[in-house]
Order: sequence, then C-alpha cells, then structure tokens
Amino acid sequence: DQQVKQNSPSLSVQEGRISILNCDYTNSMFDYFLWYKKYPAEGPTFLISISSIKDKNEDGRFTVFLNKSAKHLSLHIVPSQPGDSAVYFCAATRTTSGTYKYIFGTGTRLKVLA
Amino acid sequence: EAGVTQFPSHSVIEKGQTVTLRCDPISGHDNLYWYRRVMGKEIKFLLHFVKESKQDESGMPNNRFLAERTGGTYSTLKVQPAELEDSGVYFCASSQEPNRIYEQYFGPGTRLTVT
Repeated sequence: DQQVKQNSPSLSVQEGRISILNCDYTNSMFDYFLWYKKYPAEGPTFLISISSIKDKNEDGRFTVFLNKSAKHLSLHIVPSQPGDSAVYFCAATRTTSGTYKYIFGTGTRLKVLA
Repeated sequence: EAGVTQFPSHSVIEKGQTVTLRCDPISGHDNLYWYRRVMGKEIKFLLHFVKESKQDESGMPNNRFLAERTGGTYSTLKVQPAELEDSGVYFCASSQEPNRIYEQYFGPGTRLTVT
C-alpha cells in the first residue's frame, strides 16, 4: 500500500518553461512534506519542504504548493533549466512519530530540453 | 564539512553470501537512517538510529538484515545470507537535532547486486 504516489514517471519540458511535478498522499497524519532531487549515481539532495500548516513555500525558482483537502502537493520550477534534469522524489513524514522517517514516492524523471 | 559517506559504492555477491555495508554520517549528527531503493521503485525506509540506539526498525525486511551503530558514530548494515530480492541501492542518511530537524542528508548509496 503506497502512501505517497507520484503518478507521472517522466516529464519533458522546454528550457525556460515551467515544470510542474505532482504528488499525492493518502495518510492524513503526514504533516511535513519534502522534495528531493536525485542525479544518477548520487544520493538524493534536499530541495524544498513545506509544513502542513502552510499552503505554499517558495525558494528561488522552486515553489511547493500543498492542498491538504485534496492530499496533493506539487513542485513548480520556473524557469526550468537543463541542470534541473534529474529524478524528483516527493516525501512525507509525521513529525509526531518521533522518528521522522520519510515515506517516498516512486519519483518523476524530469528532462529539461535545451 | 564532509557529507555522508558510504562504502562500498558497489558490491556484487552470490546468493547465500554475506555483505556488510558501511555508513559514516555527518559528524555530530545523532540521527542515522537506512533506506533502500529496489529496481527504480520508491525509496523505502529500513531503520532509524538515534545515537547508538535503534529508534525504529519497522522497515527491516526480515532477520537476515542486521544493523548496528557502534558508539553512535558509523553504522553497518549486514545482510546474511543474501537473497536475490535484496538487490538494490542502499542509502544512508543523517540529520541533526534540533536544527534542520526534518532535513536528512543522504549519502551516495551502495549498489548491491545479488546473483
């Protein structure tokens, strides 16, 4: 039973355009969400996060939106750059659990075309 | 500051053999996590150490997996005996409380292939 789902395995976007990556979750107890980026042969690196008390968090070209009622979050990258080409993982956690373990989605491979 | 390091980067072993993976977290990080990604699927939680104590090992697949964290520093994950389905990339991550409590720093992973 997958609690965090990324239904789009891949996405291609032209350089300069907006990339929108989506993530859905089923567990209403999750209260903190993160996006990680992963290049081949490297570990995931933290990109941006959002607490469930917010609906938007912005960091430079990256914005994460959270819709709690729909149990949906999205990552917007504007403008997209070729260096953004990577696999993006959505993750969720329960900060009240005491362990802060992440539950990851399966990832979305983003390809930004020059 | 050195990041999370893992050794080896690759390991190819035969079914039934034993393999030990090592993780060195960022210095001063009390929290250490092990995750596994199998065949391009999601990255799955295995277990969590706080210093030398196991806080949560609910993700460990079975008793063929043994994790230790001696003295609250580096950690090892032993698979004995290895099975074909153990193949995958094993990631280690660490985080420090109380600052940036929710951001985990990941190592490059160990790719394990069981033949």
